[in-house]
Amino acid sequence: AQSVTQPDIHITVSEGASLELRCNYSYGATPYLFWYVQSPGQGLQLLLKYFSGDTLVQGIKGFEAEFKRSQSSFNLRKPSVHWSDAAEYFCAVATRSGGGADGLTFGKGTHLIIQP
Amino acid sequence: GAVVSQHPSRVICKSGTSVKIECRSLDFQATTMFWYRQFPKQSLMLMATSNEGSKATYEQGVEKDKFLINHASLTLSTLTVTSAHPEDSSFYICSASYQPNQPQHFGDGTRLSIL
Repeated sequence: AQSVTQPDIHITVSEGASLELRCNYSYGATPYLFWYVQSPGQGLQLLLKYFSGDTLVQGIKGFEAEFKRSQSSFNLRKPSVHWSDAAEYFCAVATRSGGGADGLTFGKGTHLIIQP
Repeated sequence: GAVVSQHPSRVICKSGTSVKIECRSLDFQATTMFWYRQFPKQSLMLMATSNEGSKATYEQGVEKDKFLINHASLTLSTLTVTSAHPEDSSFYICSASYQPNQPQHFGDGTRLSIL
């Protein structure tokens, strides 16, 4: 069965600094990978996805992520964070189709704190 | 873009009550919807897959008689927590995709508190 590991439970970054959130997955074939963001008490918003092709994918709100098959990783990056980026970030994997056919497997999330 | 609406956003009720949560796809038809459960400061765990016109598929360990799912139309799935107890208190989130090969879009969740 597939699994997702987000090794950092909390990350604190100064406003304007760069950000990288780590995500590692375990799956025998090429997975479909996603990053979602969740504000307190809210649902999840899709930031970006990787299905195939270019391993560097661009998303909304200035985020990007890079798929590295050799490292089984899909790390999320942003060159300059804003206070509004403070939230919970979840990495997720789907094993079939583009993610709409089966339930997703989520990592435990990384809580991002932005320092002024 | 695809919008999923969930209602109610918050429910507080007494132990033994049954609670119904609705999940609607507002601008697309969804033959499949998903129900997740999220405990405080934890990740989302898939509870069940809701299939329009057929029985839901439950994940291992999820009681199908406790969590009744009905997907009677292409835009509405409901989750009913029957005879709820304090241990059922949680954040329940639904999702749907307008095509199987497209990502899931999530509702805003329902905070269920059983006293």
